[in-house]
Amino acid sequence: GESVGLHLPTLSVQEGDNSIINCAYSNSASDYFIWYKQESGKGPQFIIDIRSNMDKRQGQRVTVLLNKTVKHLSLQIAATQPGDSAVYFCAENKPPGNQFYFGTGTSLTVIP
Amino acid sequence: DAMVIQNPRYQVTQFGKPVTLSCSQTLNHNVMYWYQQKSSQAPKLLFHYYDKDFNNEADTPDNFQSRRPNTSFCFLDIRSPGLGDAAMYLCATSREGTGTYEQYFGPGTRLTVT
Repeated sequence: GESVGLHLPTLSVQEGDNSIINCAYSNSASDYFIWYKQESGKGPQFIIDIRSNMDKRQGQRVTVLLNKTVKHLSLQIAATQPGDSAVYFCAENKPPGNQFYFGTGTSLTVIP
Repeated sequence: DAMVIQNPRYQVTQFGKPVTLSCSQTLNHNVMYWYQQKSSQAPKLLFHYYDKDFNNEADTPDNFQSRRPNTSFCFLDIRSPGLGDAAMYLCATSREGTGTYEQYFGPGTRLTVT
């Protein structure tokens, strides 16, 4: 069978509260980052992206912050809903290639 | 709807018996990726194709091979599956040159090795 997996960091929030999910990336040369949402039994789903020439980008109910100095990304979800319960991954792309490398992931549980 | 399709969704193979996983896309994307995802872990990039150019990750075992006969299809071949190869295998696509590299993932194939 499968190897014993690592335990993902977990975050539990009350419905309606804001959520902040953090990610440390590995390569200072990475210049493009994506946040993905993965629900159980499904492939990752694109949420929002950001390039390294920006430090903030907003979408619908989501905001991504990038701190290049400390190689840190965060995803903020406003007014969290039960449907937001999933595992969230950040992924980084280092030029010049097309490769994406995923961070550890955080399991978000929204309590109704 | 344009999408990334993976077949089969569940695959059981025996230890050491070659197995092939399939991925097709209707997005006409020029880049296709294969990832391995084990339980409670992040997807791990195995390799990707940029058009017909194959790009292997340095730590991908030789046991894993890939073929891309045309733009739409990409295959993952595991020559001699071991118990440690049991995982979810994810195919993804993206289009180079649009300014973003948004990847579209398929639903995955869950491989069990007995």
